[in-house]
Amino acid sequence: QVQLVESGGGVVQPGRSLRLSCAASGFAFSNHVIHWVRQAPGKGLESVATVSYDATHEYYADSVKGRFTISRDNSKNTLYLQMNSLRVEDTAIYYCAKVGFPTYLFWYFDHWGRGTLVTVSS
Amino acid sequence: EIVMTQSPATLSVSPGERATLSCRASQSVSSNLAWYQQRPGQAPWLLIYTASIRATGVPARFSGSGSGTEFTLTISSLQSEDFAVYYCQQYNKWPQTFGQGTKVEV
Repeated sequence: QVQLVESGGGVVQPGRSLRLSCAASGFAFSNHVIHWVRQAPGKGLESVATVSYDATHEYYADSVKGRFTISRDNSKNTLYLQMNSLRVEDTAIYYCAKVGFPTYLFWYFDHWGRGTLVTVSS
Repeated sequence: EIVMTQSPATLSVSPGERATLSCRASQSVSSNLAWYQQRPGQAPWLLIYTASIRATGVPARFSGSGSGTEFTLTISSLQSEDFAVYYCQQYNKWPQTFGQGTKVEV
């Protein structure tokens, strides 16, 4: 069955970097788009970034543009999120979420990972 | 960006009662609207997509309606496992935005 497993979260000081990974299995990863979505403690959901199935197009929320970089390795069935210049307000659970139709960039999410917690604190 | 507004913020209902949740978009999103359920400590779970289509495995007591800017999620007879937070999401434009959530409580 479809599985998305996030890793790489942790506690980091403001201004530092962190790289998240999302390992996918149970579906044709190279044909599907996956998004990063985050949720600050006790708050709602926020789209962070996504990349097209062929890695030719990237999209970012304004709040992370210029600091975060999304990438994917279709040979490893893995999505990444490089987070630089981290701020306290980036503290959140980061989920990867799979789009529910092959090749579609913007669509509903039919599967979510369990998330990885990123805490930015001095 | 498209702003999604959900109401009410909290809905207090008893088991077996009907619950009606609303979601409004700041501009038309056509039928590109999904609903998710999130239980404490868990990831969101897809309930409804394209405004009214139940996802795989979703009980028939959940139904969605609407198009354009006004949408509704109805739970016909609340079960104990339905007490959770519900989010609407538009996927018509990037960034794909979510409402702030409606908490359904006993």
